[in-house]
Amino acid sequence: DIQMTQSPSTLSASVGDRVTITCRASQGIYTWLAWYQQKPGKAPKLLIYKASTLESGVPSRFSGSGSGTEFTLTISNLQPDDFATYYCQHYYGYSRDSFGQGTNLEIK
Amino acid sequence: EVQLVESGGGLVQPGGSLRLSCAASGFSFSSYWMHWVRQAPGKGLVWVSRINSDGSSTNYADSVKGRFTISRDNAKNTLFLQMNSLRAEDTAVYYCARGRGGYSYVPFDYWGQGTLVAVSS
Repeated sequence: DIQMTQSPSTLSASVGDRVTITCRASQGIYTWLAWYQQKPGKAPKLLIYKASTLESGVPSRFSGSGSGTEFTLTISNLQPDDFATYYCQHYYGYSRDSFGQGTNLEIK
Repeated sequence: EVQLVESGGGLVQPGGSLRLSCAASGFSFSSYWMHWVRQAPGKGLVWVSRINSDGSSTNYADSVKGRFTISRDNAKNTLFLQMNSLRAEDTAVYYCARGRGGYSYVPFDYWGQGTLVAVSS
C-alpha cells in the first residue's frame, strides 16, 4: 500500500504569513493527490485535487503543487479562518493509509 | 444542495454489531461511488470502504475486511455500513463521503457530519 507522510505535524504561524505543508508518497502517484481542511468537530473539506486544482469556492490564497512523490500545500496571507488541521490524501487506489497523518496549523 | 446525513452510531460492546446509514439528497445518488472514512478520537482520517454506483463492486481496508459490509439502496438514496465483530479499535467517528465526479478513483467532495461509534464494555 502507498503511504503518505506529512510534515510538519504542527505548524505555528501568524495572520498574514505564508505557510507550506509537505506531503510525500511512498511511491509515485502522478498527480492523484488531494488536500483537505478539517476544523474541530467538523467534517473535512476538500480544498485541492489533482495536486493543484482548486475546488470550487476555495479562496485563491490556497495553492498546491507537485507530482510523483512530493507535494506541497501553500497558504498565502493566512486568515484567522485558516487555522485548522490539513490532510493530504492520495487516490491512486485506496487503503487505510490513503491519508497523511495531518498537520495542525495553529496560531503563533 | 448536496447533503449527507449519517445515523446509527452508538455504544456497543466488543464483539457486537452496528449498522450505520447515510441518507443522501441534492444529487443523483445512483451515479456516484460512495465511501466510508473514520476518525478515532484525536487521530487522523482513515479510509474504510467504498462501493460503486450500482452496488456491484466494493472494497475494504484490510483492518475491516471480513467484518464490515458496505451496501446501498439507490431507490432510497441511502448508503449503509454493517459492522460486525466490533473491536475497541473500531471506536471512531464514521463519515460517509461522495467520490467527486462519479468516477472510480477520485477525492471526496462532500462529507456527512459523522456518527460516533464507541466500542466498550
